[in-house]
Amino acid sequence: AQSVTQLGSHVSVSEGALVLLRCNYSSSVPPYLFWYVQYPNQGLQLLLKYTTGATLVKGINGFEAEFKKSETSFHLTKPSAHMSDAAEYFCALTGNQFYFGTGTSLTVIP
Amino acid sequence: NAGVTQTPKFRILKIGQSMTLQCTQDMNHNYMYWYRQDPGMGLKLIYYSVGAGITDKGEVPNGYNVSRSTTEDFPLRLELAAPSQTSVYFCASSLDRVNGYTFGSGTRLTVV
Repeated sequence: AQSVTQLGSHVSVSEGALVLLRCNYSSSVPPYLFWYVQYPNQGLQLLLKYTTGATLVKGINGFEAEFKKSETSFHLTKPSAHMSDAAEYFCALTGNQFYFGTGTSLTVIP
Repeated sequence: NAGVTQTPKFRILKIGQSMTLQCTQDMNHNYMYWYRQDPGMGLKLIYYSVGAGITDKGEVPNGYNVSRSTTEDFPLRLELAAPSQTSVYFCASSLDRVNGYTFGSGTRLTVV
């Protein structure tokens, strides 16, 4: 069975602070993992993806994520939060289908 | 480059009415998908297609139908609309399972 679990439906950080959004996965085959961002009243936009190779992947807007097979995790980070980062973030996994997490809403406090 | 285009953006339906949500992509992607998004529930897959003439059910197909007569178009049909179908609907496409999705901007549907 394949699944994605996002830990924490709401995360608040101060502007300039570290952003950490957690994602754990379950997969019986090597997974392809993705992070998407959704701004209010918009569709989802691909932030970054891991397929094979380097386990630390960099995406748009200064975000990055590290694939850790031993921990079955693919957490999303950004060193310094900006007000424009406030959005909904979805972790996703590709197997037989595309599996989305339930999302994490990020609030950035000025 | 339009990407994935969804129409309409908003719609209010009365219970029992029918409608078609349109989705078109201009990227020559084989895979196309319909999702619904409800608050706090993430995205649920309704139907998907791996190519023209091929469709398959996702997680929540009841009350919906799809067709894929061309590579570009993947309309979603709602028959006998019910309040439970009030949601935001997203169409997406992908070249394959490795490269991730390109999403449309969504259709916000309210059934009253």
